[in-house]
Amino acid sequence: LAKTTQPISMDSYEGQEVNITCSHNNIATNDYITWYQQFPSQGPRFIIQGYKTKVTNEVASLFIPADRKSSTLSLPRVSLSDTAVYYCLSRGISSGSARQLTFGSGTQLTVLP
Amino acid sequence: DAGVIQSPRHEVTEMGQEVTLRCKPISGHDYLFWYRQTMMRGLELLIYFNNNVPIDDSGMPEDRFSAKMPNASFSTLKIQPSEPRDSAVYFCASSPRQGTETQYFGPGTRLLVL
Repeated sequence: LAKTTQPISMDSYEGQEVNITCSHNNIATNDYITWYQQFPSQGPRFIIQGYKTKVTNEVASLFIPADRKSSTLSLPRVSLSDTAVYYCLSRGISSGSARQLTFGSGTQLTVLP
Repeated sequence: DAGVIQSPRHEVTEMGQEVTLRCKPISGHDYLFWYRQTMMRGLELLIYFNNNVPIDDSGMPEDRFSAKMPNASFSTLKIQPSEPRDSAVYFCASSPRQGTETQYFGPGTRLLVL
């Protein structure tokens, strides 16, 4: 089974850059790494997705090293509204089943004023 | 598009009762997923469908749980009989294509079994 590992929690202050790293050391060769954000009482929401190197959108950047065994979600200049749980999602090796889509345990990011 | 719709949003029931959770996926999405979320176990994939056909139900906890998708726009997750340990938030998600891993989640149903 795919196994992802993330820090349980992180604290930051408004305006700082936050980097959350996820390890997924048996990711499938041709699959993407996806990050989700979840606020209380809501379902997870897609943030960003990548395969390798760097991806950037209006919300975040995603850095993926060449071996793809980890990924780092970067949130620039966080605000209080970025306080949420962040999940990384990947697929285990040699699997065509969504069963192998494994959410990490999530990282609770708390942004302080 | 209204997004993934789930009902009810909250359900309180007594142990032994039957519970039915409902989901309407985003139109045109071929994949539908049911998840359960608890503090202890996080987000767990229970079952998923492709074009209305159940593909993998190995995450379904036990025989008390069943899921159906009679058509492309409706799915149900049923628990019979319910137990207190079934208390959790149940999410439905849909995806246009499995390979992208971009799933669109509904707001969830918060279930409390007394």
